[in-house]
Amino acid sequence: QVQLQQWGAGLLKPSETLSLTCAIYNGSFSGYYWSWIRQPPGKGLEWIGEISQRGSTNYNPSLKSRVTISVDTSKNQFSLRLTSVTAADTAVYFCARHYSYGYGRFDPWGPGSLVAVSS
Amino acid sequence: IQMTQSPSFLSASVGDRVTITCRASQGIRNDLGWYQQKPGKAPKLLIYAASSLESGVSSRFSGSGSGTDFTLTISSLQPEDFATYYCLQDYNYPRTFGQGTKVEIK
Repeated sequence: QVQLQQWGAGLLKPSETLSLTCAIYNGSFSGYYWSWIRQPPGKGLEWIGEISQRGSTNYNPSLKSRVTISVDTSKNQFSLRLTSVTAADTAVYFCARHYSYGYGRFDPWGPGSLVAVSS
Repeated sequence: IQMTQSPSFLSASVGDRVTITCRASQGIRNDLGWYQQKPGKAPKLLIYAASSLESGVSSRFSGSGSGTDFTLTISSLQPEDFATYYCLQDYNYPRTFGQGTKVEIK
């Protein structure tokens, strides 16, 4: 069964860069997109972006200027960088596998990483 | 594409039949999933392709709809079903979620 584990810094100051990594266990990169999604405290879910095995990316226009998603297939990992963070970027960040044929199918999800931005 | 869920909040009793709706601002075929989220946990996929039950998910969950109007139904609410539910479209970019429906115990 595919499992995702994620890690990264949990406390940042304004203007710093958020960096998270998601590792894929018992599964392959092939045939899927690999996504990042976030959830501010007490609020709903926001899709950040995705990457394919070949490194093809798609980003949410609301974050596109600050986001980079990259992949390291040799380590079965993909990563998120978000630059120039502010308090508005405080959220739980999830990684997830997205079936490339669509159908609204994101599964599994990582457990989530709380990132707080505070001076 | 905007996804509008209703209601935002729902109070129900164990055994009740519960229906949550999701409306897309434009047609999305059946590129829609339903997710359940409990506090402190990642969302869990319940339904994909608008009406296909994810493996391992209880058959009391069902989905229907196509185009712009979709429904998630819980046939007989159980204590473990009290949670927040989200719809998600991946018909086009950016992927978007509904604002969520919180189901609480009456």
